Amino acid sequence: AQSVAQPEDQVNVAEGNPLTVKCTYSVSGNPYLFWYVQYPNRGLQFLLKYITGDNLVKGSYGFEAEFNKSQTSFHLKKPSALVSDSALYFCAVREGGYQKVTFGTGTKLQVIP
Amino acid sequence: NAGVTQTPKFQVLKTGQSMTLQCAQDMNHEYMSWYRQDPGMGLRLIHYSVGAGITDQGEVPNGYNVSRSTTEDFPLRLLSAAPSQTSVYFCASSLGGADDFYNEQFFGPGTRLTVL
Repeated sequence: AQSVAQPEDQVNVAEGNPLTVKCTYSVSGNPYLFWYVQYPNRGLQFLLKYITGDNLVKGSYGFEAEFNKSQTSFHLKKPSALVSDSALYFCAVREGGYQKVTFGTGTKLQVIP
Repeated sequence: NAGVTQTPKFQVLKTGQSMTLQCAQDMNHEYMSWYRQDPGMGLRLIHYSVGAGITDQGEVPNGYNVSRSTTEDFPLRLLSAAPSQTSVYFCASSLGGADDFYNEQFFGPGTRLTVL
């Protein structure tokens, strides 16, 4: 069975500092990995995905994520945090050949002015 | 394109009542799914569909039914509402199919359901 872990319920970072939101996964086959963001009282919005190829994936709003197969991780990063980045972030995994997507429990990012 | 739409936005039910949450998408997506979001639990998959006429259970299917008679619509039925079903419900769709590249999900705005 596939699973995703987001070990931090909340991450606090000062505006202008780099941010990292952690995600680890478990699948039997090849992983397809995703990051989504949720603003208050809204649905989730897609940020970026890893399917195959380069381990560093770039997405929307200046976010990027690094796929590390040996550590089964897919951490979300941004070089310089903005207050407007404050939101709830979800990591998700889908195993190749299957349609079910499993989400992590989410990490609340708080960017402090 | 309207994307993924959900109705109603808010609903209050009494225990034992039934209702249907509506979901529609206009992107000709094959794959549709229903999730519930609860604090500290993230999103949990209730049911999903890989195409018209095909549905399957997710992680937490008990108490819910779905059907997929058209590509566009994927309603979620609560058979006999219970307080444990108080949650925010999200419908999502993706292109799916054999092409794994285009498989990010598009989410609706959600339905906030309270069962008293």
